[in-house]
Amino acid sequence: GAGVSQSPRYKVAKRGQDVALRCDPISGHVSLFWYQQALGQGPEFLTYFQNEAQLDKSGLPSDRFFAERPEGSVSTLKIQRTQQEDSAVYLCASSFGRGQGFEAFFGQGTRLTVV
Amino acid sequence: AQRVTQPEKLLSVFKGAPVELKCNYSYSGSPELFWYVQYSRQRLQLLLRHISRESIKGFTADLNKGETSFHLKKPFAQEEDSAMYYCALSARNTGNQFYFGTGTSLTVIP
Repeated sequence: GAGVSQSPRYKVAKRGQDVALRCDPISGHVSLFWYQQALGQGPEFLTYFQNEAQLDKSGLPSDRFFAERPEGSVSTLKIQRTQQEDSAVYLCASSFGRGQGFEAFFGQGTRLTVV
Repeated sequence: AQRVTQPEKLLSVFKGAPVELKCNYSYSGSPELFWYVQYSRQRLQLLLRHISRESIKGFTADLNKGETSFHLKKPFAQEEDSAMYYCALSARNTGNQFYFGTGTSLTVIP
């Protein structure tokens, strides 16, 4: 596809359940970002990959959050033992370059609802 | 610390009226500033960036380092401009991630 693809689009999880969110970036894009967007807020940074290397995970809110990008392409964000406060839209973005200022292309997001 | 502030959560203007969406930032280095837009049921997409100095869909934004602002302006608002607008900052010393404001919802009244 031409754009960043995320799946599933919607996920309802029971509290305590583990979830995995997938991101297919634009082919050839080096950089990949995960963001969390709570209702009424702007996207908040979670983590950043350059190829397969996770260079920044300072935004992950707890050790229940884990992200990987093993082959430098598809990425998975995993949330263990989900809590209600994890309910949000999770956005994935990719960009071509390594440096500052490259346009980030966003996916449609995965809306996670923890009940 | 890096921060982006968008003071208006909601903004309504009449069609044909000028519109200005405010954005202020705090960052000690040389930031890259962006405006992203999200139309109803669409994904977040880049509207413009300050380094390009371009006008997109009639919108312009000038980086004012003295006032640490990057306000988005359009002289004549159109109904199709109704959307959510996010100001964002990219900082070299923090891994090139984007810091977003909380967004301004613009409604253009016909």
